[in-house]
Amino acid sequence: EVQLVESGGGLEQPGRSLRLSCTTSGFTLEDYAITWFRQAPGKGLEWVGFIASRTYGGTTKYAASVEGRFIISRVDSKNIAYLQMNSLKTEDTAVYYCSRQLTETSGDYFAYWGQGTLVTVSS
Amino acid sequence: DIQMTQSPYSVSASVGDRVTITCRASQDISNWLAWYQQKPGKAPILLIYAASILQTGVPSRFSGSGSGTDFTLTISSLQPEDLAVYYCHQANTFPYTFGQGTKVEIK
Repeated sequence: EVQLVESGGGLEQPGRSLRLSCTTSGFTLEDYAITWFRQAPGKGLEWVGFIASRTYGGTTKYAASVEGRFIISRVDSKNIAYLQMNSLKTEDTAVYYCSRQLTETSGDYFAYWGQGTLVTVSS
Repeated sequence: DIQMTQSPYSVSASVGDRVTITCRASQDISNWLAWYQQKPGKAPILLIYAASILQTGVPSRFSGSGSGTDFTLTISSLQPEDLAVYYCHQANTFPYTFGQGTKVEIK
């Protein structure tokens, strides 16, 4: 069974850093991209960024709102992907989800999601 | 960025009613469109991908259609468990974007 579990959320002050983890199981992580989304309280879904599989060079792409502050990485041997969030802003407050596409070749349709982890940025 | 515009913002319907949600993209996305259902406090669930393909395990009362810029999600016979927010999502071009969501309520 494919599973993704986020961890690392919590309360942090503006300007500080936080690292989220996405621990995966039930599939071979190295064969898949991992994508991060977020959802601010009472708001809609926002794509944060993704990291491609090793086959595609581990390329990363980010939303403009986090470019230069957030870094997505992966350690396939540990079945974990990370979202390093630096220079946090109050507007980064959200539930963060990691996700996997349906199949290796399906295109970016996200059939598998973690349960989400809440990040609150406040002084 | 590609803007995704859903309508209506919310819909209230009775059990058994047909419900239609539309999504318009600001530019041609071919059929690179998905529909997700999200219930309160839960992660989104993929319902439809490639505009019209029903995800495995999703009830057949859900269907999707469209291509290019105009898309539709239809619930043929609304059930109480369909109470949720529905989002369209374009997977054609980075940054990926979502519609603002449509809240479906049961009368």
